[in-house]
Amino acid sequence: AQSVTQPDIHITVSEGASLELRCNYSYGATPYLFWYVQSPGQGLQLLLKYFSGDTLVQGIKGFEAEFKRSQSSFNLRKPSVHWSDAAEYFCAVGVNTGNQFYFGTGTSLTVIP
Amino acid sequence: NAGVTQTPKFQVLKTGQSMTLQCAQDMNHNSMYWYRQDPGMGLRLIYYSASEGTTDKGEVPNGYNVSRLNKREFSLRLESAAPSQTSVYFCASTREWGTEAFFGQGTRLTVV
Repeated sequence: AQSVTQPDIHITVSEGASLELRCNYSYGATPYLFWYVQSPGQGLQLLLKYFSGDTLVQGIKGFEAEFKRSQSSFNLRKPSVHWSDAAEYFCAVGVNTGNQFYFGTGTSLTVIP
Repeated sequence: NAGVTQTPKFQVLKTGQSMTLQCAQDMNHNSMYWYRQDPGMGLRLIYYSASEGTTDKGEVPNGYNVSRLNKREFSLRLESAAPSQTSVYFCASTREWGTEAFFGQGTRLTVV
């Protein structure tokens, strides 16, 4: 069965520090991979996506993610975090059976001044 | 651009009551989804509709039914609400496999 694991439930970083959020997936083939962000009380917004090609993908708000097939990982990074980045982040896998999406349990990010 | 519109935004039900959550998208997307979001559980797929005229169960379908009324609309029905169905419900849509999902703003449902 497909699954997405985000091992960090909550992360706290200082403003200006670098950030890495981890995501591992389990799927028989190379899936489509996504990172979404959710601000409190809001829906989900797409940060970036990986379909094929270059394994380092750039997204909005200065985020990037790297696909590593050997590790079944798709970690999200940002060189310098801003206070407005505080939110919940979800990794998702798109599978071709019925066009389904599976989400991880999310990582809550707190940014301290 | 409206995108994905969910109604209502908030709802309180008594145990045993029924209700339908409405979802409509104006992007001509083929696939639509219903998720529930609970603390520490992420988003779990309840039902999905890969294309107009088809619906399938997701991870947590028990207690729910869905209708893909047409290409635009995908409704979620709770026939007899239970406190365990207290959650935030999200509708989403995609154009086709591999494309990004667009989400509605969510419906916060409380069952007392």
